[in-house]
Amino acid sequence: GENVEQHPSTLSVQEGDSAVIKCTYSDSASNYFPWYKQELGKRPQLIIDIRSNVGEKKDQRIAVTLNKTAKHFSLHITETQPEDSAVYFCAAAQAGTALIFGKGTTLSVSS
Amino acid sequence: DAMVIQNPRYQVTQFGKPVTLSCSQTLNHNVMYWYQQKSSQAPKLLFHYYDKDFNNEADTPDNFQSRRPNTSFCFLDIRSPGLGDAAMYLCATSRDRRAEGEQYFGPGTRLTVT
Repeated sequence: GENVEQHPSTLSVQEGDSAVIKCTYSDSASNYFPWYKQELGKRPQLIIDIRSNVGEKKDQRIAVTLNKTAKHFSLHITETQPEDSAVYFCAAAQAGTALIFGKGTTLSVSS
Repeated sequence: DAMVIQNPRYQVTQFGKPVTLSCSQTLNHNVMYWYQQKSSQAPKLLFHYYDKDFNNEADTPDNFQSRRPNTSFCFLDIRSPGLGDAAMYLCATSRDRRAEGEQYFGPGTRLTVT
């Protein structure tokens, strides 16, 4: 079955810096890769996703890149703000299967 | 607003006393999921329904059961809660099994076992 590895487990940056979180997946059949943000005590919320027919997707300060050959994808947050502080989860899935989550990255943005 | 609703938000039960958590959705989504999330960990899938088709994860303990009486509702039954079952339980939905897509999470039920 699918296995998703996520790194780093914790990441501390200064406000305004960029943050990058990386994930690798094992099943080459996976074709959907979402990123969820979870603030303390709240539900996970989708912030961006990418499908395997696309190499990069951007939404304002957030971007995701996908390398199908290497089976890894990354989340990039530019101009970080304190409100970006949260736990970020990557996940992978293919049609008809449930999401498999990475273990999460705790991002701390200090002002 | 269309959404995923979980009740109760907080549940305290005694060791071994059965408990039921509920989830409802107004999104008319075909697929519903139950996840267990312990502190500082990723959500762990327990089971999911494609319409009425029940799918149990291989490592989900027998102590956990689920029911989906109709499209809108799904229940998680814990027959004999142990201390290790204390966690946040998240319900999620997605539109269709044929196409991968966003999962919409409910706010969760935090279960405490005393």
